[in-house]
Amino acid sequence: GEDVEQSLFLSVREGDSSVINCTYTDSSSTYLYWYKQEPGAGLQLLTYIFSNMDMKQDQRLTVLLNKKDKHLSLRIADTQTGDSAIYFCAESIRSSYKLIFGSGTRLLVRP
Amino acid sequence: GAVVSQHPSRVICKSGTSVKIECRSLDFQATTMFWYRQFPKKSLMLMATSNEGSKATYEQGVEKDKFLINHASLTLSTLTVTSAHPEDSSFYICSAPTGGGGDTQYFGPGTRLTVL
Repeated sequence: GEDVEQSLFLSVREGDSSVINCTYTDSSSTYLYWYKQEPGAGLQLLTYIFSNMDMKQDQRLTVLLNKKDKHLSLRIADTQTGDSAIYFCAESIRSSYKLIFGSGTRLLVRP
Repeated sequence: GAVVSQHPSRVICKSGTSVKIECRSLDFQATTMFWYRQFPKKSLMLMATSNEGSKATYEQGVEKDKFLINHASLTLSTLTVTSAHPEDSSFYICSAPTGGGGDTQYFGPGTRLTVL
């Protein structure tokens, strides 16, 4: 079945870059997403990438997609303390709106 | 941007009672909405797809008689947790696709259910 894996924890210093990695299994996924969740809150869509793209940049965020290896990454440049949160990658199931989420990576930004 | 709201944001109930959670799309119509469940410090698990005007589609392992879903209008889906038990305590989140470019969907802020 479909599965999405992420590392559980990442700690970086303020001002450094953060790279959060994700692997997925459904090669038919049309879109792959990155969501941010702050404590006790819902999900905020950060960015998404269409499966025929290799890279997408949006201000401080850069998404890289290696479709051959089914590997997705999110790079946050100049990480700030406000970026501390849980980051989920998600793939669309068989190109539908249903999403399979990874376990989430908890990003801690140290001052 | 598109907004999805949920009500209530937090609810505490006694074991055996039923609880209704509402999910509304505020500035767009959604023929489909999704209900997810999130356990503490865990990922989101898709529970069911709510379809306007027809029956919901449940994921494997989700009890349809336990989690009743009604999608009565193009802007409202409700999830009713019937005869709630402590193990039903969780964070319930809904989402709605906007149907716009990018196949994006927006998530509600979530409802924290605690069953005593």
